[in-house]
Amino acid sequence: GAVVSQHPSWVICKSGTSVKIECRSLDFQATTMFWYRQFPKQSLMLMATSNEGSKATYEQGVEKDKFLINHASLTLSTLTVTSAHPEDSSFYICSAIREGGAAFFGQGTRLTVV
Amino acid sequence: DAKTTQPPSMDCAEGRAANLPCNHSTISGNEYVYWYRQIHSQGPQYIIHGLKNNETNEMASLIITEDRKSSTLILPHATLRDTAVYYCIVPPNTGNQFYFGTGTSLTVIP
Repeated sequence: GAVVSQHPSWVICKSGTSVKIECRSLDFQATTMFWYRQFPKQSLMLMATSNEGSKATYEQGVEKDKFLINHASLTLSTLTVTSAHPEDSSFYICSAIREGGAAFFGQGTRLTVV
Repeated sequence: DAKTTQPPSMDCAEGRAANLPCNHSTISGNEYVYWYRQIHSQGPQYIIHGLKNNETNEMASLIITEDRKSSTLILPHATLRDTAVYYCIVPPNTGNQFYFGTGTSLTVIP
């Protein structure tokens, strides 16, 4: 079946540094990918829609300069958390829509900012 | 996007069928219903989706009412590994964003 892979699975970084998370669709091409954030005991919150070859579309309240998204190819989207702070610690998840309409999700990236 | 409503939690005995309901009364005629589940600290897993006909795959069955205002996900023989949060989602036709509600936390009891 379809597979979406994220890297890294977990990362610890110092406050003020930037962290890049990769999302790859392994067996299909995805012109659109999505990025989510999930805090403990909460549901997934959509952050942005990543469009191949164009600018990402951010949900209301999500800082586009804080969360940089690049979708340079049909199989890769990246999320960079810039100048990370402890409140950015969260579980970040990406997804991609496969032909047929279903979204497939990565395994998630646990970010801890210390 | 059509809002979905699910009970916050349910229990099910191991080996019995788990029936998870979802209300989506504002669904449009050509919007699909998708079901996902999330096991702790993992990404959501696709289960099944449908438009108006009932659907079945190796994981579950999806029953959609004739007026399409509600649906039920059926896990025919629940196992302990089915313990998870189950999400019913109706993405809009434009944009295909999958917005997650609070889902149903299913606990399968030995």
